[in-house]
Amino acid sequence: QVSLQQWGAGLLKPSETLSVTCGVDGGSLSGYYWSWIRQPPGKGLEWIGEVVHSGSVNYNPSLKSRVTISVDTSKNQISLRLRSVAAADTALYYCARGVWEPDYWGQGSLVIVSS
Amino acid sequence: QAVLTQPSSLSASPGASASLTCTLRSGINIRTYRIYWYQQKSGSPPQFLLRYNSDSDNLRASGVPSRFSGSKDASANAGILLISGLQSEDEADYYCLIWHNRVWVFGGGTKVTVL
Repeated sequence: QVSLQQWGAGLLKPSETLSVTCGVDGGSLSGYYWSWIRQPPGKGLEWIGEVVHSGSVNYNPSLKSRVTISVDTSKNQISLRLRSVAAADTALYYCARGVWEPDYWGQGSLVIVSS
Repeated sequence: QAVLTQPSSLSASPGASASLTCTLRSGINIRTYRIYWYQQKSGSPPQFLLRYNSDSDNLRASGVPSRFSGSKDASANAGILLISGLQSEDEADYYCLIWHNRVWVFGGGTKVTVL
């Protein structure tokens, strides 16, 4: 049974870089799309981007200039970095796995941006 | 205009049926899209419910009761999630999702209340 464990900095100041990692236990990175999705408190879902085992990425154009998603196959981890954060980036950040659509989600990492 | 529009809320009685709509923006034809549906209960990550493209191309996720079903209304250019025999445990937020222009796009979500 695969398990997605997430961790990352919880409180950031404006202009800092958000970094969240998703560790995959009990399963392989291969054969799946690995997405990052975020949800501001009390609001809806926004897809940030995705990566596959080979490292190929695809980003949401709305965030593309600030986002880096990467994969570390040696550690079975996927990472998200979001540069120059602002209050609007305050959200629960989820990693999710899918053969196509994201159908298995981690528990989420809350990131708060505040001065 | 948003790519996907969902009513913000819907209330229904236990045992009733609830029809949740996901309307595509004018110029985006529902006929060419698979619609994915997710359920999110308070404090939990979204869970994939089902995908629907046609009666011959659809999938309900493992463990999802058969009272959850998908369809399309081409005249309204909308995807539909039908929940039959509503139960108190169905109280949640429901999101639709499509793959559009190489981006996963979520609807704004519908909050379902079981009265």
